[in-house]
Amino acid sequence: AQSVSQHNHHVILSEAASLELGCNYSYGGTVNLFWYVQYPGQHLQLLLKYFSGDPLVKGIKGFEAEFIKSKFSFNLRKPSVQWSDTAEYFCAVRTPYGGSQGNLIFGKGTKLSVKP
Amino acid sequence: KAGVTQTPRYLIKTRGQQVTLSCSPISGHRSVSWYQQTPGQGLQFLFEYFSETQRNKGNFPGRFSGRQFSNSRSEMNVSTLELGDSALYLCASSLGQPDSPLHFGNGTRLTVT
Repeated sequence: AQSVSQHNHHVILSEAASLELGCNYSYGGTVNLFWYVQYPGQHLQLLLKYFSGDPLVKGIKGFEAEFIKSKFSFNLRKPSVQWSDTAEYFCAVRTPYGGSQGNLIFGKGTKLSVKP
Repeated sequence: KAGVTQTPRYLIKTRGQQVTLSCSPISGHRSVSWYQQTPGQGLQFLFEYFSETQRNKGNFPGRFSGRQFSNSRSEMNVSTLELGDSALYLCASSLGQPDSPLHFGNGTRLTVT
């Protein structure tokens, strides 16, 4: 079965530090990749997505992610985090299996705490 | 544009009871997906409805069911509740195309005692 692994459960950084959150998936075919973010008390919202083309994608709030097909990875990065980036981050993969938009498989999430 | 609305926000039920959760998608969205979120398992896919038809289903027992109405609103029902059903249930809507992102509601927090 397809799966998504997020390497870190909880990451603690100081403001201005650089961020990289790991995400690996297990599926050998074409995938669509997403990062979602859940700020405290808010609903999940899309940070960025990759479907095809340039493997380096840019999202909202200065986040970017790089798709490396050979490594089955889609890591999230931000050069300089802010206190307002404190949130939980979810990597998600949609495969063609089931042929459905709804068949989005999520990782278990990484909590990011940014110290002011 | 109004977001995805889920009602109620909180529910407390007793084992053996049944519960119905409601989701109103963003206007124009024809796809509604349901997810269960727990601290241990994270977000797990329950099912997806598109134009009143179940298009995909996750690995949950038959006690979990859903439906979608002609106005795209969706309901999820859980019968014979178990303690392990305590979770945050999230609904997400989309246009239903392969490149359409999901838009999530705030969820319904179900507690089974």
